[in-house]
Amino acid sequence: KQEVTQIPAALSVPEGENLVLNCSFTDSAIYNLQWFRQDPGKGLTSLLLIQSSQREQTSGRLNASLDKSSGRSTLYIAASQPGDSATYLCAPREAQKLVFGQGTRLTINP
Amino acid sequence: NAGVTQTPKFRILKIGQSMTLQCTQDMNHNYMYWYRQDPGMGLKLIYYSVGAGITDKGEVPNGYNVSRSTTEDFPLRLELAAPSQTSVYFCASSSRGAGELFFGEGSRLTVL
Repeated sequence: KQEVTQIPAALSVPEGENLVLNCSFTDSAIYNLQWFRQDPGKGLTSLLLIQSSQREQTSGRLNASLDKSSGRSTLYIAASQPGDSATYLCAPREAQKLVFGQGTRLTINP
Repeated sequence: NAGVTQTPKFRILKIGQSMTLQCTQDMNHNYMYWYRQDPGMGLKLIYYSVGAGITDKGEVPNGYNVSRSTTEDFPLRLELAAPSQTSVYFCASSSRGAGELFFGEGSRLTVL
């Protein structure tokens, strides 16, 4: 059974810092991996989708990497801003479903 | 573009009552999903559908039913509500099995 772990569970950093969020998964037989952000009381917003054949994907200040063989993905956020404060969730896809980690709650302090 | 729309946003039920959570998407996606999110836990898949007329169980289907009569709609029915069904329910859709998932805003359900 796929298990997804996100470390750290919570992170607080000053504005302007570059930071890395980690995601590990136990079964490497995945089709792709998706990163989401979730604001309090809101739904999930898709940030990046990395296919299993890709090593990384970039969107603006965000860069996600995928090392399928070691069961790891990272989300790099450059020049963090207070608006980046949210919970970040990773979800590898196996067969018909995404399997979610519990997320990293990120707070960017002005 | 509305994307994935869920109704109601909030609902309080008494134990034993039934209700239907509505989900509709306007992106012509074939794949639709229902997840639940409990505090401090990751999202868990309840049911999914790969197209009109086709549904299948996810990880936590007990106490729920779904139907998919059209491409756009994927309602989730709760029969005989129990306190354990207190949760936030999310509907999602994707254009293909390995495609990007798009989520609705969620429906917060409390069973008392």
